[in-house]
Amino acid sequence: QVELQEAGPRLVKPSETLSLTCAVSGTSISSHYWSWIRQAPGKGLEWIGYIFYSGSTTYNPALESRVSISVDTSKNQFSLTLTSVTAADTAVYYCARVASVTRMDFWGKGAAVTVSS
Amino acid sequence: QSVLTQPPSVSAAPGQKVAISCSGSSSNIGKNYVSWYQQFPGTAPKLLIYDNDKRPSGIPDRFSGSKSDTSVTLGITGLQTGDEAVYYCGTWDSSLSGVAFGGGTRLTVL
Repeated sequence: QVELQEAGPRLVKPSETLSLTCAVSGTSISSHYWSWIRQAPGKGLEWIGYIFYSGSTTYNPALESRVSISVDTSKNQFSLTLTSVTAADTAVYYCARVASVTRMDFWGKGAAVTVSS
Repeated sequence: QSVLTQPPSVSAAPGQKVAISCSGSSSNIGKNYVSWYQQFPGTAPKLLIYDNDKRPSGIPDRFSGSKSDTSVTLGITGLQTGDEAVYYCGTWDSSLSGVAFGGGTRLTVL
């Protein structure tokens, strides 16, 4: 069974960098694309970006200047970095497996991150 | 403001059927497959329908998807109280060069 688990600090100060890791089990990370999605409190889903195991990435243009997604095939995990955060970046951050560009078939449970001083 | 438009809420009685619409344009639904996700409070979204009308393994056939031009519809029959959730449509938008999600529709089973 494919499982994803987000990990990382849950409280980040404004202007600092948010960093999360998604550990993948039950499948090789070298077989699919992988994605980060976030959901602000009481709001809908917002796609952050994709990464392929080769390192190729595609980002949401609205976040592209601040976001970076990387992959570590040796650890079977991928990571999210979001710089210069503000309160607007407070959200639950989900990682997901991408079965196709329009289909995310396995999701992590989510990591609630708060941006506050 | 999402490029995919969903009604904020729908409701129906147990045992009845409901349709949730998702309207887009030629840059998204008109040229790409659509997925539907089900999300219960405090939990991660779950893939319900993919490629417009396909169900992943384990999803009951009470759930169905259809597409017409630049709109898609999620149908749920034999409504159960356990179906109360928020439902999101999602697809690729060529103009945005990214994945777009609808704003979500809250289903209430009265």
